[in-house]
Amino acid sequence: DAMVIQNPRYQVTQFGKPVTLSCSQTLNHNVMYWYQQKSSQAPKLLFHYYDKDFNNEADTPDNFQSRRPNTSFCFLDIRSPGLGDAAMYLCATGGSKNTEAFFGQGTRLTVV
Amino acid sequence: AQTVTQSQPEMSVQEAETVTLSCTYDTSESNYYLFWYKQPPSRQMILVIRQEAYKQQNATENRFSVNFQKAAKSFSLKISDSQLGDTAMYFCAFMNGYGGSQGNLIFGKGTKLSVKP
Repeated sequence: DAMVIQNPRYQVTQFGKPVTLSCSQTLNHNVMYWYQQKSSQAPKLLFHYYDKDFNNEADTPDNFQSRRPNTSFCFLDIRSPGLGDAAMYLCATGGSKNTEAFFGQGTRLTVV
Repeated sequence: AQTVTQSQPEMSVQEAETVTLSCTYDTSESNYYLFWYKQPPSRQMILVIRQEAYKQQNATENRFSVNFQKAAKSFSLKISDSQLGDTAMYFCAFMNGYGGSQGNLIFGKGTKLSVKP
């Protein structure tokens, strides 16, 4: 059974048009992460939530926002996507005792 | 700030042979966790093995084992009896052990492993 689910798997958006990626989890984990992964590169942490406590990485552009309305769901909002934002976006969850992170299958974002 | 370094961008190994992937890290923390993740082409990131820094014994999971050298800040992954399905990107990752907002998972740049028949 899938434990971290990302929707959609593939997303095409227009340059400058806001887009939202979603992530849900059935693990009841406190921590939810969003990573950006470009081709053949390491995942880059954008931000994470510990419960409702939001933690933004210092170099995450303002164009990227996130919402976590409850434990199960977390959203990544890209307010004005540029061509450089085309990437795989990975959602992951982690327990409060720093167990390993569990990843979703990712959403591949294309900007046209 | 913590950093994770993987110095081998690509490696290849013959099926059934053994291969070792290298990873070094830098931290001033004493309590942390180390992981190896596998990412097959166009597929999900999955955990291969994890090591708690306070444990001296090296972690082992079936054909996968680590050589954890805390003083040297080294964390290598050994894959024995390599299989074609082991072909993937392998990422070394670090998480500090204090939890909460400091529990970030930081990745190295990855090593692309190809297992050849």
